[in-house]
Amino acid sequence: KNEVEQSPQNLTAQEGEFITINCSYSVGISALHWLQQHPGGGIVSLFMLSSGKKKHGRLIATINIQEKHSSLHITASHPRDSAVYICAGLETSGSRLTFGEGTQLTVNP
Amino acid sequence: GAVVSQHPSWVICKSGTSVKIECRSLDFQATTMFWYRQFPKQSLMLMATSNEGSKATYEQGVEKDKFLINHASLTLSTLTVTSAHPEDSSFYICSASLRALYEQYFGPGTRLTVT
Repeated sequence: KNEVEQSPQNLTAQEGEFITINCSYSVGISALHWLQQHPGGGIVSLFMLSSGKKKHGRLIATINIQEKHSSLHITASHPRDSAVYICAGLETSGSRLTFGEGTQLTVNP
Repeated sequence: GAVVSQHPSWVICKSGTSVKIECRSLDFQATTMFWYRQFPKQSLMLMATSNEGSKATYEQGVEKDKFLINHASLTLSTLTVTSAHPEDSSFYICSASLRALYEQYFGPGTRLTVT
């Protein structure tokens, strides 16, 4: 069974802090999505990566294939970054995603 | 990035009625669309995968006669909840991808409340 585990479950930071959310996954997953879900419910796809590193604005995602581990970093965090961040593994066998439990991030001003 | 829309964004219906939710890919052709449901404070649960022009593949435990999925074109998939019950109340989210194994782009979700 494919598994995706995220940590931490909850994270509170002060505005401006550097934030890291971690994701570990099992064999059978070929790529990872990082998703952001705001309180209204809508989901935004931040990154999909299968190797290396991607950067978009203040967001950076890295993946280590050998260790089956990925991280999402937020630099200079802002209260508007407060949301649930979800990593989801794309199964090698098809197109299904296995979702992590999510990390609730709260950035205080 | 690619844009996926859903309509309606929220809907309230009475028990026993049917409700249709639309998912559209606005600026790309989606050969594969996915339907998820999400309960409060839980992760997304895949309900079915649909490929344009063919029957949807439902996940175990999802009633295909209750949750009718149609993917008649490369930009539109619909989910119809038939004979809705209060336990069908949930947040329904679709996603779309150019093809299998490609990045999925998510819609904003539809909140269904069955009274």
